[in-house]
Amino acid sequence: DAGVIQSPRHEVTEMGQEVTLRCKPISGHDYLFWYRQTMMRGLELLIYFNNNVPIDDSGMPEDRFSAKMPNASFSTLKIQPSEPRDSAVYFCASSSGLAGSYNEQFFGPGTRLTVL
Amino acid sequence: KNQVEQSPQSLIILEGKNCTLQCNYTVSPFSNLRWYKQDTGRGPVSLTIMTFSENTKSNGRYTATLDADTKQSSLHITASQLSDSASYICVVRPSGGYNKLIFGAGTRLAVHP
Repeated sequence: DAGVIQSPRHEVTEMGQEVTLRCKPISGHDYLFWYRQTMMRGLELLIYFNNNVPIDDSGMPEDRFSAKMPNASFSTLKIQPSEPRDSAVYFCASSSGLAGSYNEQFFGPGTRLTVL
Repeated sequence: KNQVEQSPQSLIILEGKNCTLQCNYTVSPFSNLRWYKQDTGRGPVSLTIMTFSENTKSNGRYTATLDADTKQSSLHITASQLSDSASYICVVRPSGGYNKLIFGAGTRLAVHP
């Protein structure tokens, strides 16, 4: 298995533009997580899905952020409009079963977003 | 407030030396505690996972310990290698249904030749 796949790996955009980050989870995994990592705040959970259904989006910073999972093999995180403070590395992770069990969360390589 | 505190923030050691990273948490009750390794430009990768009833777990040169009474965990790296240079993140999962993982800020380790 290729692991969790994210695209693009790097994104540079200007303030006000729409940004779409993409994730393909590991085949067979039924949980998908979106995280954001910054130097100041470390890793933060934004939202997670179970069987394509959003379960907890309380970590989404504001209405400018939205996430979808149209099928078991694809998810998107969209920021519209983007702001400089959104600059961070965004990780997607997937797991089989509950995150609290020994079933591991496998992280993708991340998308480094820079908003100018 | 549930928190995970790690120390030191950063550490430099010479290749071949041992080191120990610390993690103190206030999350209670908790289900398990994990240590992740994150190489620069990559996503975190799990090293060890321990439940509250386990007090030690090894993965090659990495050994994690857990004292649930004092709410402390440590990650010991033996005979360090240049490839151990990375950030090491302590993560605690609160118990009771699904709960958000609580991440520490990480310890940045640099192994020099």
